[in-house]
Amino acid sequence: EADIYQTPRYLVIGTGKKITLECSQTMGHDKMYWYQQDPGMELHLIHYSYGVNSTEKGDLSSESTVSRIRTEHFPLTLESARPSHTSQYLCASSEFQDRVGTYEQYFGPGTRLTVT
Amino acid sequence: GENVEQHPSTLSVQEGDSAVIKCTYSDSASNYFPWYKQELGKRPQLIIDIRSNVGEKKDQRIAVTLNKTAKHFSLHITETQPEDSAVYFCAALDTGRRALTFGSGTRLQVQP
Repeated sequence: EADIYQTPRYLVIGTGKKITLECSQTMGHDKMYWYQQDPGMELHLIHYSYGVNSTEKGDLSSESTVSRIRTEHFPLTLESARPSHTSQYLCASSEFQDRVGTYEQYFGPGTRLTVT
Repeated sequence: GENVEQHPSTLSVQEGDSAVIKCTYSDSASNYFPWYKQELGKRPQLIIDIRSNVGEKKDQRIAVTLNKTAKHFSLHITETQPEDSAVYFCAALDTGRRALTFGSGTRLQVQP
């Protein structure tokens, strides 16, 4: 079944550790996104990608970095985790066909990160 | 870029009543407006969307209306049920970035 997968779902880690949040999609979408969200609060776009080797920064400044080496894979890395990075991170992908006027975006289940 | 404002931030209704959530957007070039529902601890789910070539779209108890002239769109939920309780987000497509800009969310509570 086509879906977006994120691992780990929950992560508790100490300050200063390097972490990578994984996101993979089997939707066949070109575009992928990372959002940061405190529970039930606003969705802040932190990174997006139009396709392989494309990465852009979003609206919310983030110390994280992303890469897009394969269409289906869009990992997010924090080189040195801090308590201020504690949040939920949601991955998403979308299909955008301007010619036919279609656009749909779907979210993964999220990774809840706690930095102690 | 696109800016989306959403009101109210919280909404409490009695079961069976209607609920209306309103959003405004800034970029007149935006042509796609989805609504997402996020239940506690779950991912946002697309529940309905509307494109700029239509003024209204309905799907059972939910409907969305769009006024392109005024640059606002609304979500209407009729005959609300306790399972409608969630946070609802509106969004508009930033055609330059091809990314959605989200509103700040509305926490809907349906009282049984």
